[in-house]
Amino acid sequence: DGGITQSPKYLFRKEGQNVTLSCEQNLNHDAMYWYRQDPGQGLRLIYYSQIVNDFQKGDIAEGYSVSREKKESFPLTVTSAQKNPTAFYLCASSISRSLSNTEAFFGQGTRLTVV
Amino acid sequence: DQQVKQNSPSLSVQEGRISILNCDYTNSMFDYFLWYKKYPAEGPTFLISISSIKDKNEDGRFTVFLNKSAKHLSLHIVPSQPGDSAVYFCAARPSGNTPLVFGKGTRLSVIA
Repeated sequence: DGGITQSPKYLFRKEGQNVTLSCEQNLNHDAMYWYRQDPGQGLRLIYYSQIVNDFQKGDIAEGYSVSREKKESFPLTVTSAQKNPTAFYLCASSISRSLSNTEAFFGQGTRLTVV
Repeated sequence: DQQVKQNSPSLSVQEGRISILNCDYTNSMFDYFLWYKKYPAEGPTFLISISSIKDKNEDGRFTVFLNKSAKHLSLHIVPSQPGDSAVYFCAARPSGNTPLVFGKGTRLSVIA
């Protein structure tokens, strides 16, 4: 089945530790995105990538880093510089960047809790 | 500065009645609008979309209306069912497959 897989579903880390969230898609989509959801805040864009080996900062990129070495994979690292890392993280992908009227497909999310 | 606004955090509707969820936007460059449905601890699922060249799009019980002059769109669900209870996000993007910009969501509760 085609889709987006985020792992793990739940993640606990101690304050001050970096942690990497996995996102893999087998939809052959060019573009991939990371969003963060906090209560009452909706979905806010962290980073996005429209093509392999290229990515851009979103609205709240501080304290995060990404890589896009393969088309299928877009891991997100939450660094110790991120002041409020506890949140629900969502990865998404969409088809070719030349087609504008397409929806984004989301993974099931990773709930990160930093203690 | 919020470009996509959903001013009602919550909405309660009786089963069988119409649910109307509203969304306003400020960026006149937006030309594609979407609605997503989200259950707790799950990713959003795409529901319905509309291009700026249309003013209405219908899919089964779901209809989205777009009023470009007012920069307003709405999602109508008729008839509402208990399984429709979820958070609904309005999203928009300019042309060129740039990232979606989301509103803060409206929690719909359909009461049996």
